[in-house]
Amino acid sequence: ILNVEQSPQSLHVQEGDSTNFTCSFPSSNFYALHWYRWETAKSPEALFVMTLNGDEKKKGRISATLNTKEGYSYLYIKGSQPEDSATYLCAFIIPEYGNKLVFGAGTILRVKS
Amino acid sequence: EPEVTQTPSHQVTQMGQEVILRCVPISNHLYFYWYRQILGQKVEFLVSFYNNEISEKSEIFDDQFSVERPDGSNFTLKIRSTKLEDSAMYFCASSALDGGETQYFGPGTRLLVL
Repeated sequence: ILNVEQSPQSLHVQEGDSTNFTCSFPSSNFYALHWYRWETAKSPEALFVMTLNGDEKKKGRISATLNTKEGYSYLYIKGSQPEDSATYLCAFIIPEYGNKLVFGAGTILRVKS
Repeated sequence: EPEVTQTPSHQVTQMGQEVILRCVPISNHLYFYWYRQILGQKVEFLVSFYNNEISEKSEIFDDQFSVERPDGSNFTLKIRSTKLEDSAMYFCASSALDGGETQYFGPGTRLLVL
Protein backbone atom coordinates (compact mmCIF):
# COMPACT_ATOMS: atom_id res chain seq x y z
CA ILE A 1 0.00 0.00 0.00
CA LEU A 2 1.41 3.35 -1.04
CA ASN A 3 1.54 5.74 1.91
CA VAL A 4 2.51 9.40 2.06
CA GLU A 5 3.21 10.84 5.49
CA GLN A 6 3.44 14.46 6.51
CA SER A 7 4.76 15.95 9.71
CA PRO A 8 4.01 17.74 11.86
CA GLN A 9 0.23 17.46 11.75
CA SER A 10 -0.07 21.12 12.78
CA LEU A 11 2.18 24.03 13.55
CA HIS A 12 1.57 27.35 15.28
CA VAL A 13 4.22 30.03 14.75
CA GLN A 14 4.63 33.75 15.27
CA GLU A 15 4.75 36.18 12.39
CA GLY A 16 8.33 36.41 11.14
CA ASP A 17 9.31 32.90 12.19
CA SER A 18 10.69 30.57 9.57
CA THR A 19 9.26 27.09 9.48
CA ASN A 20 9.56 23.82 7.66
CA PHE A 21 7.62 20.61 7.31
CA THR A 22 8.29 17.17 5.92
CA CYS A 23 6.68 14.85 3.39
CA SER A 24 7.80 11.20 3.32
CA PHE A 25 6.99 8.91 0.43
CA PRO A 26 8.09 5.55 -1.03
CA SER A 27 11.50 5.97 -2.68
CA SER A 28 10.98 3.17 -5.20
CA ASN A 29 9.30 3.91 -8.57
CA PHE A 30 9.37 7.64 -7.92
CA TYR A 31 7.98 9.85 -10.66
CA ALA A 32 7.02 13.23 -9.17
CA LEU A 33 5.89 14.88 -5.95
CA HIS A 34 3.39 17.73 -5.82
CA TRP A 35 3.01 20.36 -3.11
CA TYR A 36 -0.28 22.23 -2.64
CA ARG A 37 -1.39 25.05 -0.40
CA TRP A 38 -5.03 24.87 0.64
CA GLU A 39 -6.93 27.64 2.35
CA THR A 40 -10.40 26.92 3.68
CA ALA A 41 -13.18 27.52 1.13
CA LYS A 42 -10.67 27.95 -1.69
CA SER A 43 -9.16 25.67 -4.33
CA PRO A 44 -5.98 23.84 -3.36
CA GLU A 45 -3.26 25.91 -5.02
CA ALA A 46 -0.40 24.15 -6.79
CA LEU A 47 2.96 25.25 -5.39
CA PHE A 48 5.57 22.92 -6.86
CA VAL A 49 6.04 19.78 -8.90
CA MET A 50 9.32 18.13 -7.86
CA THR A 51 10.81 15.50 -10.13
CA LEU A 52 14.60 15.25 -9.84
CA ASN A 53 16.62 14.13 -6.85
CA GLY A 54 18.25 17.21 -5.33
CA ASP A 55 15.65 19.54 -6.88
CA GLU A 56 15.16 22.80 -5.07
CA LYS A 57 12.30 25.08 -6.12
CA LYS A 58 11.32 28.50 -4.87
CA LYS A 59 8.21 30.68 -5.05
CA GLY A 60 8.59 33.92 -3.10
CA ARG A 61 9.26 33.03 0.53
CA ILE A 62 8.36 29.36 0.02
CA SER A 63 10.88 26.79 -1.16
CA ALA A 64 11.00 23.01 -1.38
CA THR A 65 13.69 20.37 -1.66
CA LEU A 66 13.54 16.77 -2.79
CA ASN A 67 15.47 13.63 -1.88
CA THR A 68 14.17 10.71 -3.93
CA LYS A 69 16.78 8.23 -2.68
CA GLU A 70 15.62 8.48 0.91
CA GLY A 71 12.03 9.40 0.07
CA TYR A 72 11.41 12.83 1.56
CA SER A 73 10.70 16.42 0.62
CA TYR A 74 10.93 19.51 2.82
CA LEU A 75 8.83 22.64 2.43
CA TYR A 76 10.31 25.83 3.94
CA ILE A 77 8.59 29.13 4.60
CA LYS A 78 10.89 32.04 5.40
CA GLY A 79 9.52 34.85 7.57
CA SER A 80 5.98 33.46 7.96
CA GLN A 81 3.10 35.88 7.52
CA PRO A 82 -0.52 35.49 8.69
CA GLU A 83 -1.56 35.01 5.05
CA ASP A 84 0.61 31.85 4.94
CA SER A 85 -1.89 30.19 7.28
CA ALA A 86 -3.24 27.22 5.36
CA THR A 87 -3.01 23.46 5.06
CA TYR A 88 0.02 22.31 3.06
CA LEU A 89 -0.49 19.04 1.21
CA CYS A 90 2.01 16.86 -0.58
CA ALA A 91 1.02 14.19 -3.09
CA PHE A 92 2.88 11.41 -4.86
CA ILE A 93 1.85 10.82 -8.46
CA ILE A 94 1.47 7.43 -10.11
CA PRO A 95 1.34 8.01 -13.87
CA GLU A 96 0.68 4.37 -14.68
CA TYR A 97 -2.53 4.53 -12.64
CA GLY A 98 -4.16 7.37 -14.56
CA ASN A 99 -1.98 10.06 -12.99
CA LYS A 100 -3.47 9.27 -9.62
CA LEU A 101 -2.28 11.56 -6.82
CA VAL A 102 -1.80 9.92 -3.42
CA PHE A 103 -2.03 12.59 -0.75
CA GLY A 104 -0.56 12.97 2.69
CA ALA A 105 -2.80 14.15 5.52
CA GLY A 106 -1.39 17.67 5.34
CA THR A 107 0.29 20.06 7.76
CA ILE A 108 -1.94 22.81 9.16
CA LEU A 109 0.02 26.03 9.60
CA ARG A 110 -1.28 28.90 11.73
CA VAL A 111 0.73 32.11 11.80
CA LYS A 112 -0.11 34.56 14.61
CA SER A 113 0.49 38.26 14.14
CA GLU B 1 -5.98 33.31 -14.88
CA PRO B 2 -7.90 30.19 -15.94
CA GLU B 3 -9.36 28.16 -13.11
CA VAL B 4 -11.41 25.07 -12.45
CA THR B 5 -14.93 25.83 -11.26
CA GLN B 6 -17.40 23.57 -9.48
CA THR B 7 -21.10 23.76 -8.75
CA PRO B 8 -22.81 23.64 -6.39
CA SER B 9 -20.53 24.70 -3.57
CA HIS B 10 -22.73 22.83 -1.07
CA GLN B 11 -25.37 20.16 -1.50
CA VAL B 12 -27.56 18.46 1.07
CA THR B 13 -29.42 15.34 -0.01
CA GLN B 14 -31.38 12.47 1.45
CA MET B 15 -29.90 8.98 1.53
CA GLY B 16 -30.83 7.08 -1.61
CA GLN B 17 -31.16 10.17 -3.79
CA GLU B 18 -29.11 10.80 -6.90
CA VAL B 19 -26.71 13.74 -7.02
CA ILE B 20 -24.76 15.25 -9.88
CA LEU B 21 -21.71 17.31 -9.12
CA ARG B 22 -20.55 19.59 -11.90
CA CYS B 23 -17.14 20.84 -12.90
CA VAL B 24 -15.81 23.07 -15.63
CA PRO B 25 -12.13 22.21 -16.14
CA ILE B 26 -9.58 24.60 -17.61
CA SER B 27 -10.44 24.89 -21.29
CA ASN B 28 -7.35 23.45 -23.01
CA HIS B 29 -6.83 20.64 -20.51
CA LEU B 30 -7.18 17.03 -21.59
CA TYR B 31 -7.06 15.04 -18.32
CA PHE B 32 -9.78 15.23 -15.69
CA TYR B 33 -10.02 13.87 -12.17
CA TRP B 34 -12.32 13.57 -9.20
CA TYR B 35 -11.01 13.33 -5.65
CA ARG B 36 -12.80 13.50 -2.32
CA GLN B 37 -11.99 14.22 1.28
CA ILE B 38 -14.11 12.77 4.04
CA LEU B 39 -13.90 14.99 7.11
CA GLY B 40 -10.75 14.24 9.08
CA GLN B 41 -9.29 11.95 6.43
CA LYS B 42 -6.82 12.31 3.56
CA VAL B 43 -7.79 13.54 0.13
CA GLU B 44 -8.38 10.37 -1.91
CA PHE B 45 -8.46 9.66 -5.60
CA LEU B 46 -11.73 8.54 -7.17
CA VAL B 47 -11.28 8.52 -10.94
CA SER B 48 -9.31 9.90 -13.86
CA PHE B 49 -10.73 10.52 -17.34
CA TYR B 50 -9.06 11.06 -20.68
CA ASN B 51 -10.23 10.95 -24.27
CA ASN B 52 -13.84 10.39 -23.20
CA GLU B 53 -13.15 7.35 -21.12
CA ILE B 54 -12.09 6.40 -17.63
CA SER B 55 -8.31 5.90 -17.38
CA GLU B 56 -8.24 4.66 -13.80
CA LYS B 57 -10.65 4.34 -10.92
CA SER B 58 -10.23 3.54 -7.26
CA GLU B 59 -11.99 0.80 -5.31
CA ILE B 60 -14.29 3.52 -3.92
CA PHE B 61 -15.60 4.23 -7.42
CA ASP B 62 -18.15 1.44 -7.60
CA ASP B 63 -21.26 1.04 -9.74
CA GLN B 64 -22.98 3.85 -7.85
CA PHE B 65 -20.56 6.35 -9.34
CA SER B 66 -20.24 7.51 -12.93
CA VAL B 67 -18.51 10.33 -14.77
CA GLU B 68 -19.38 12.05 -17.98
CA ARG B 69 -18.17 14.82 -20.21
CA PRO B 70 -21.52 15.70 -21.80
CA ASP B 71 -20.19 18.58 -23.88
CA GLY B 72 -16.88 20.29 -24.56
CA SER B 73 -16.74 22.08 -21.23
CA ASN B 74 -18.47 20.23 -18.39
CA PHE B 75 -17.25 17.20 -16.45
CA THR B 76 -19.75 15.61 -14.08
CA LEU B 77 -19.71 13.11 -11.25
CA LYS B 78 -22.98 11.29 -10.59
CA ILE B 79 -23.75 9.30 -7.48
CA ARG B 80 -26.84 7.22 -8.22
CA SER B 81 -28.04 6.32 -4.75
CA THR B 82 -26.23 8.26 -2.08
CA LYS B 83 -25.19 6.71 1.21
CA LEU B 84 -24.36 8.43 4.48
CA GLU B 85 -20.68 7.59 3.95
CA ASP B 86 -20.65 9.53 0.67
CA SER B 87 -20.70 12.75 2.72
CA ALA B 88 -17.44 14.48 1.82
CA MET B 89 -15.84 17.37 -0.02
CA TYR B 90 -15.58 16.43 -3.70
CA PHE B 91 -12.84 18.05 -5.77
CA CYS B 92 -12.53 18.16 -9.51
CA ALA B 93 -9.09 18.67 -11.09
CA SER B 94 -7.67 18.94 -14.58
CA SER B 95 -4.24 18.84 -16.17
CA ALA B 96 -2.93 19.71 -19.60
CA LEU B 97 -0.60 16.82 -20.03
CA ASP B 98 0.10 13.33 -18.85
CA GLY B 99 2.53 12.21 -16.20
CA GLY B 100 3.79 14.60 -13.55
CA GLU B 101 2.04 17.66 -14.92
CA THR B 102 0.35 19.91 -12.34
CA GLN B 103 -3.26 19.06 -11.57
CA TYR B 104 -5.34 22.20 -11.02
CA PHE B 105 -8.10 21.83 -8.46
CA GLY B 106 -11.52 23.41 -8.16
CA PRO B 107 -12.84 24.76 -4.84
CA GLY B 108 -14.85 21.62 -4.15
CA THR B 109 -18.48 20.69 -3.52
CA ARG B 110 -19.37 19.82 0.04
CA LEU B 111 -21.91 17.00 -0.06
CA LEU B 112 -23.91 16.11 3.01
CA VAL B 113 -26.08 12.98 2.90
CA LEU B 114 -28.74 12.78 5.60
